[in-house]
Amino acid sequence: AQRVTQPEKLLSVFKGAPVELKCNYSYSGSPELFWYVQYSRQRLQLLLRHISRESIKGFTADLNKGETSFHLKKPFAQEEDSAMYYCALKGGGSQGNLIFGKGTKLSVKP
Amino acid sequence: EPEVTQTPSHQVTQMGQEVILRCVPISNHLYFYWYRQILGQKVEFLVSFYNNEISEKSEIFDDQFSVERPDGSNFTLKIRSTKLEDSAMYFCASSFGGARAIEQFFGPGTRLTVL
Repeated sequence: AQRVTQPEKLLSVFKGAPVELKCNYSYSGSPELFWYVQYSRQRLQLLLRHISRESIKGFTADLNKGETSFHLKKPFAQEEDSAMYYCALKGGGSQGNLIFGKGTKLSVKP
Repeated sequence: EPEVTQTPSHQVTQMGQEVILRCVPISNHLYFYWYRQILGQKVEFLVSFYNNEISEKSEIFDDQFSVERPDGSNFTLKIRSTKLEDSAMYFCASSFGGARAIEQFFGPGTRLTVL
């Protein structure tokens, strides 16, 4: 079964602290994974994708096929990082529908 | 920068009524999607649409639901005879490349409340 699991509903850290948002997936083929972010009262927007191996706003995520994980990390959290973060897997369908995790709310305190 | 737009932002309806949720995808995109998110739950795929027909649909997308691209710009989701459990946030998304797309672009969502 295709599934994305984000075990933490809420993650609260202080500004400047490291952040790791966990994501595990279940997928039989070669996965394509994304992190989407939703800031308060804004739309879902792509943060990063594993294929690009990029760093956006200081965030990185590495695909670990052995652990079936795609955790999102940032060494020093900022208050403006506070948002909902969704891990998503491109499903096996022909049109690339996304399978989302339940999301983790990141709260960065001053 | 072009964006996906959705109207209305909030729709309140009585159980059993029909609702139409509207989306305007990004103009050069070819693939269109509807997702929904029940409060406190995950975003779930409903349907994808390409070349004027449904490409894929989930188990959620039963006969109560239909989609249409009536005029080359709008992409609509119709829910016939709404039920209380249809209350959710409905997101429209579009992409240029379907399964090959590097990104789906999401609209701001329509919050549907069924009373």
